[in-house]
Amino acid sequence: GDSVTQMEGPVTLSEEAFLTINCTYTATGYPSLFWYVQYPGEGLQLLLKATKADDKGSNKGFEATYRKETTSFHLEKGSVQVSDSAVYFCALTGSGGYNKLIFGAGTRLAVHP
Amino acid sequence: DVKVTQSSRYLVKRTGEKVFLECVQDMDHENMFWYRQDPGLGLRLIYFSYDVKMKEKGDIPEGYSVSREKKERFSLILESASTNQTSMYLCASSLSLAVLSYEQYFGPGTRLTVT
Repeated sequence: GDSVTQMEGPVTLSEEAFLTINCTYTATGYPSLFWYVQYPGEGLQLLLKATKADDKGSNKGFEATYRKETTSFHLEKGSVQVSDSAVYFCALTGSGGYNKLIFGAGTRLAVHP
Repeated sequence: DVKVTQSSRYLVKRTGEKVFLECVQDMDHENMFWYRQDPGLGLRLIYFSYDVKMKEKGDIPEGYSVSREKKERFSLILESASTNQTSMYLCASSLSLAVLSYEQYFGPGTRLTVT
C-alpha cells in the first residue's frame, strides 16, 4: 500500500543553519505531496504542497521538489530560525481517493539560538 | 480563514466510559476526518465522512464510531474507552473530493487520557 518514510528526529540545529528533512514515498498512481507543520500545542497546518512531478512547493523560506524518479519530497530551508522549531510531517494523497492523506511519522526540529 | 474547532483540549476519562469528541468546521467543507496522533506513528486515519450521514472507515476504526448529522459537525465516539485509546485526537476538514490536491485544515487537537 501507499506509505511515507521520513528521517527520524529529533533534528537539532543552530540558528541560521541549513535544514534538510528527508521524505520518500511509495504510491500507486500520481499522488499530490504535502508538508505539514505542527507548532507546540497546536494542530497541523499546511506548509507547502506539490501536485505533479518536478513541481516545487515553497512557503516561508521552505522548499520541496516533487521527484518522481527518486520518489522523494525532501524539505529544505537555507537559514532556520528559533521560531521554526516544530514537528514536520510529510504526507501524500492515498490512492483510495476521498482526499485521504497518508502521513509519515513526523520529524521534530529544535533550533537553538 | 477556515476554522476547525474541537470541543475540548484535554479530557480525562475512566476505562469503560462512553466518550464523545466533537468537531465543528465553519467553511462548508464536504469532507471531515478524524485522526489519532501517537509518537513515532504519525497520524493515522480513524474515520472520515464525505457528506452528511455518510461515513467510511479509515485505517484504525476498531473501537470507534462516528456521527455526522449536520454538514459542519463530525463527532467521534469511543463506545467503551480503553487505556490503549489514550492519544491525541485531531479533526480535519477539506473542501471537496473532486480535487485531490485540496489541503486539509486541522483543529487544535484533543488530548485524551483514559485511566
